[in-house]
Amino acid sequence: DAKTTQPNSMESNEEEPVHLPCNHSTISGTDYIHWYRQLPSQGPEYVIHGLTSNVNNRMASLAIAEDRKSSTLILHRATLRDAAVYYCILRDATNAGKSTFGDGTTLTVKP
Amino acid sequence: EPEVTQTPSHQVTQMGQEVILRCVPISNHLYFYWYRQILGQKVEFLVSFYNNEISEKSEIFDDQFSVERPDGSNFTLKIRSTKLEDSAMYFCASSPGQGKGSGYTFGSGTRLTVV
Repeated sequence: DAKTTQPNSMESNEEEPVHLPCNHSTISGTDYIHWYRQLPSQGPEYVIHGLTSNVNNRMASLAIAEDRKSSTLILHRATLRDAAVYYCILRDATNAGKSTFGDGTTLTVKP
Repeated sequence: EPEVTQTPSHQVTQMGQEVILRCVPISNHLYFYWYRQILGQKVEFLVSFYNNEISEKSEIFDDQFSVERPDGSNFTLKIRSTKLEDSAMYFCASSPGQGKGSGYTFGSGTRLTVV
């Protein structure tokens, strides 16, 4: 599995943007970059994914570096409900097997 | 929005007993997974399942574990003889396919407590 590296924790103020970084220097050409989040006592929840181009959806934006060795999840206006563990994982589009979750980034949102 | 449904939400069992954790994946999804999360630890992959067979499994998924899709809608995880260290949250997930790197939808989990 290609590995991802994320900061252990980040803090944000409510209503401010949050940029959550992820490094994946060993990414392969068929790996998609996925982001999930896990709220306390819940299962992981899909946030967004992309391959090469930046992506936007109703939850977040994903900015992918030109060399694809890093990416940033952007929450445009953090709310208290966005406090969660955010996981960046790689998913091989040619393989139906596993995706490996790392330790993720624990995001704390302060009122 | 379609959901992955897991039952029961909490299961308490005695060590050595068999348990079956049940999942109903999203109906048009083709790929099915089980993950587990021991309290305070990472989400760990157990097994992936496609076309009625296991496509990949982890070292955790030993002979005590098995999966089945008995009727085209349910997806089950059986632990034959539970151990204390099997206590964890077990998450089922499904995915429509692998093309375009499609994402997983996870269920809310079953908390398994082995006493």
